[in-house]
Amino acid sequence: AQSVTQPDIHITVSEGASLELRCNYSYGATPYLFWYVQSPGQGLQLLLKYFSGDTLVQGIKGFEAEFKRSQSSFNLRKPSVHWSDAAEYFCAVAAGGTYKYIFGTGTRLKVLA
Amino acid sequence: EAQVTQNPRYLITVTGKKLTVTCSQNMNHEYMSWYRQDPGLGLRQIYYSMNVEVTDKGDVPEGYKVSRKEKRNFPLILESPSPNQTSLYFCASSQGQRGGYTFGSGTRLTVV
Repeated sequence: AQSVTQPDIHITVSEGASLELRCNYSYGATPYLFWYVQSPGQGLQLLLKYFSGDTLVQGIKGFEAEFKRSQSSFNLRKPSVHWSDAAEYFCAVAAGGTYKYIFGTGTRLKVLA
Repeated sequence: EAQVTQNPRYLITVTGKKLTVTCSQNMNHEYMSWYRQDPGLGLRQIYYSMNVEVTDKGDVPEGYKVSRKEKRNFPLILESPSPNQTSLYFCASSQGQRGGYTFGSGTRLTVV
């Protein structure tokens, strides 16, 4: 069965520091992978996605993620965090051929001024 | 503006009183889905629809019904709500699996 693990429930970084949020998945074939961000009181917004091709994908708001098949990982990164990046981040995998998305439990990011 | 609209945003109801949460999208998307979000559990899929009159169960369908009579609308129906259905609900739509979902702003439901 497919699964997604986000090992870090909470992460705190200082503004201007780099960020990496971890995501590990379990899926037999090449999955479709996504990162979403949820600001307080808001719905989820798609940051970036991967389904094939270049394993380093660029997204909105200066985020990027790298697909590593050997590690079953799809970690989200940002070189310099801004206070407005404080939010909850969700990794998701889509099982091939269906619309059954599996979401991780989320990582809540706090940014210190 | 391309969007998914859910109503209501907040709802408090009593156990057993039937309710419907509406969802509408203006992007002509074929695929729509309902999720519930609970602390520590992330988002779990309730039902999804691949097109008009085509729906299927997600991971937590018990106690919910859906219908897809028109492409733009995908209402979530709770025939007899119970307190364990207190949650934050999201509707989402997508043109294709590779595109990812566009989410609505959410409906916070409390069942007392």
